[in-house]
Amino acid sequence: GAVVSQHPSRVICKSGTSVKIECRSLDFQATTMFWYRQFPKQSLMLMATSNEGSKATYEQGVEKDKFLINHASLTLSTLTVTSAHPEDSSFYICSAREVRAQDTQYFGPGTRLTVL
Amino acid sequence: GNSVTQMEGPVTLSEEAFLTINCTYTATGYPSLFWYVQYPGEGLQLLLKATKADDKGSNKGFEATYRKETTSFHLEKGSVQVSDSAVYFCALRSGFGNEKLTFGTGTRLTIIP
Repeated sequence: GAVVSQHPSRVICKSGTSVKIECRSLDFQATTMFWYRQFPKQSLMLMATSNEGSKATYEQGVEKDKFLINHASLTLSTLTVTSAHPEDSSFYICSAREVRAQDTQYFGPGTRLTVL
Repeated sequence: GNSVTQMEGPVTLSEEAFLTINCTYTATGYPSLFWYVQYPGEGLQLLLKATKADDKGSNKGFEATYRKETTSFHLEKGSVQVSDSAVYFCALRSGFGNEKLTFGTGTRLTIIP
C-alpha cells in the first residue's frame, strides 16, 4: 500500500527557533498534501492544503507566516514552524493524496513537537 | 459547519467481545463518511467508507452503515481480537470535489486476551 513518511518523528526545540518537518510519499506521486494538528484527546484539525508547485491554502485561524508550507515536488512537502513558542507544541500529521486515487488520503505517522 | 461526534474512550474489551463505537455527524449536503484506524506508531489508515445513505462499508470484519435519518455511522465488529487494539477515528468529507476531512476526537480501543 501507499506509504507516507514524516521526519523527524519527535523534535524538541527552544522557544524562538524554527523547526522544519518533512512529509514524503515514498511510493507514489502526491499532487496534494495536507497538514493537520492534533491536540491531546482532540480531533485532527486541518491546518492547510498544499498543491505541488503552488501556494498552500490555509484554514481560517492558521497563521501563514508562522506555519510555512512548501510543496516543491510530487513526493515532498515541508512544514516549517517559525519562531516556535510553547503553545506550538503539538502532534503534527501530514497526509498525501495520490494522483490516481483522488478519493483516498494516506497519512504519515506524525511528528511530536515540543517547544521549551 | 461540519462536525463529527464520536464515542469517548478509552474502550477496553475482552477478546471475542462485540464492539460498537458510536459516531454521529452534522454536515451540509451529502457527505461521504469514513472510519480510520491508527495502530501504535503508525499513521492513520482508511478502514472503511460509505459514500451515500444506506451504504454499508466493511473491512477486516468491521462494518458501518451510513444512516441519514439518524446522521450516524457507528462502527461494529462481532468478535474483536487483540490485534484490533488501536485508535479509531470517524470522519466525513462533505460533497464531491471537497477534499477536506473533518475528524472526530478518536476512540482508543484496547482488547485484552
